Amino acid sequence: GQQVMQIPQYQHVQEGEDFTTYCNSSTTLSNIQWYKQRPGGHPVFLIQLVKSGEVKKQKRLTFQFGEAKKNSSLHITATQTTDVGTYFCAGLGGATNKLIFGTGTLLAVQP
Amino acid sequence: EPEVTQTPSHQVTQMGQEVILRCVPISNHLYFYWYRQILGQKVEFLVSFYNNEISEKSEIFDDQFSVERPDGSNFTLKIRSTKLEDSAMYFCASSIVRSNYGYTFGSGTRLTVV
Repeated sequence: GQQVMQIPQYQHVQEGEDFTTYCNSSTTLSNIQWYKQRPGGHPVFLIQLVKSGEVKKQKRLTFQFGEAKKNSSLHITATQTTDVGTYFCAGLGGATNKLIFGTGTLLAVQP
Repeated sequence: EPEVTQTPSHQVTQMGQEVILRCVPISNHLYFYWYRQILGQKVEFLVSFYNNEISEKSEIFDDQFSVERPDGSNFTLKIRSTKLEDSAMYFCASSIVRSNYGYTFGSGTRLTVV
């Protein structure tokens, strides 16, 4: 079945450093979504990307959808302690109604 | 801001017992979902529900699981005979259309099977 992998599994940065997580799907996606889950919390929707090569920005966060619609990335510029949490990509493929979550990247930010 | 509400927040049950997890999706949402997350692991799809029927389910969602929308507001997940490996956080989610605006997740029910 469809698999969505993310790297790295875990990243520890100093506050102010940049952070990037990469997401790869085994199948072509119709869209990709990104979610943030704070420790002990629930996933919170951040953004959706639909078009091949699409780039979207939300303040310090930049999201990109690959040309082949099989990979995506999230880049955070100048991390802050409030960025701590696990970032999940989630892909919707073709005719399926299953939104499959990636394995997640846990971001720790040291002040 | 509208919320998805889940009850209870924590449920402890004996192995073999039936449990019902309850969810109240956002009122104008049409699609409903259950996911589960074993501690420290990824969020796993269980089932999607639209127009009073299951539209997709995963391999995890076997005969022990069922979902129901008994009235206009509640959406429930029933596990008939719980196993130790069913211990996880169960999240309900809803969306207004088929995934085009993201899912809104509830705060989850932590199920512990002993």
